Amino acid sequence: TQLLEQSPQFLSIQEGENLTVYCNSSSVFSSLQWYRQEPGEGPVLLVTVVTGGEVKKLKRLTFQFGDARKDSSLHITAAQPGDTGLYLCAGALVDSSYKLIFGSGTRLLVRP
Amino acid sequence: DSGVTQTPKHLITATGQRVTLRCSPRSGDLSVYWYQQSLDQGLQFLIHYYNGEERAKGNILERFSAQQFPDLHSELNLSSLELGDSALYFCASSVDRGGNTIYFGEGSWLTVV
Repeated sequence: TQLLEQSPQFLSIQEGENLTVYCNSSSVFSSLQWYRQEPGEGPVLLVTVVTGGEVKKLKRLTFQFGDARKDSSLHITAAQPGDTGLYLCAGALVDSSYKLIFGSGTRLLVRP
Repeated sequence: DSGVTQTPKHLITATGQRVTLRCSPRSGDLSVYWYQQSLDQGLQFLIHYYNGEERAKGNILERFSAQQFPDLHSELNLSSLELGDSALYFCASSVDRGGNTIYFGEGSWLTVV
C-alpha cells in the first residue's frame, strides 16, 4: 500500500496545455517535496512546502500544500517539451526519526 | 551535479553473490539516505544514517546492510542476491538529521542475472 498516492500515473499532453498532478495521503506530513527525475539520473528537488495552505511558484510551476498537510498539487502552465520527465512527490514523516516517503510518480510527456 | 557521488554506476552480477555500493555525500552533509527504485515499487526508503549512527530503517531486507564511516561516506552491502534485487539504488545526503532538503546521487544500476 502506497502511503502517498499520485495521480495521474501517466500524462501525455500537447505543448502549451496546462496540467495538474495530485499527491494525496491519509497521513500528515511535516513537509512535502516535489522532485523531477530524468531517465538514468537521480531525482532533483524542485520545491519544499512546509506550511498548510502554502503556495509556491517556480516559473510556470505552481505548488500547493493542503491545509491539513496531507495532500499537495503541482500545476504546470503552458507545458513545454522540456517539462517531460517523472515527477515525484515526497512527504517527510518526522517523529523520533526522519523518513522521506515517495509517491509512485507521474510520468509526463509533452509533445511538441 | 548534486555533489553526491555514487560508485559503481553500473553493476552486473549473478544470483547468490554479494556486492557493495558506495556513496560519498556532499561536502559538509552529515546525513546519508539509501533508496531503492524499481519499476514496480517506485522509490523505496531503505535506511538513514546521521553522523555515523543509524537513524531510521525502512523497507530494508535482512540480506542488506549499510554503514556510515567516520569520514561520512557510506556503503550499502547487498548479499545473497536475487533477481528481484535488480534495481537502481540511490544515495542521498542532507546537512542535518532530518532536513527539508536532500540531494540525490545519480544512482547505481544493479542487474542480477
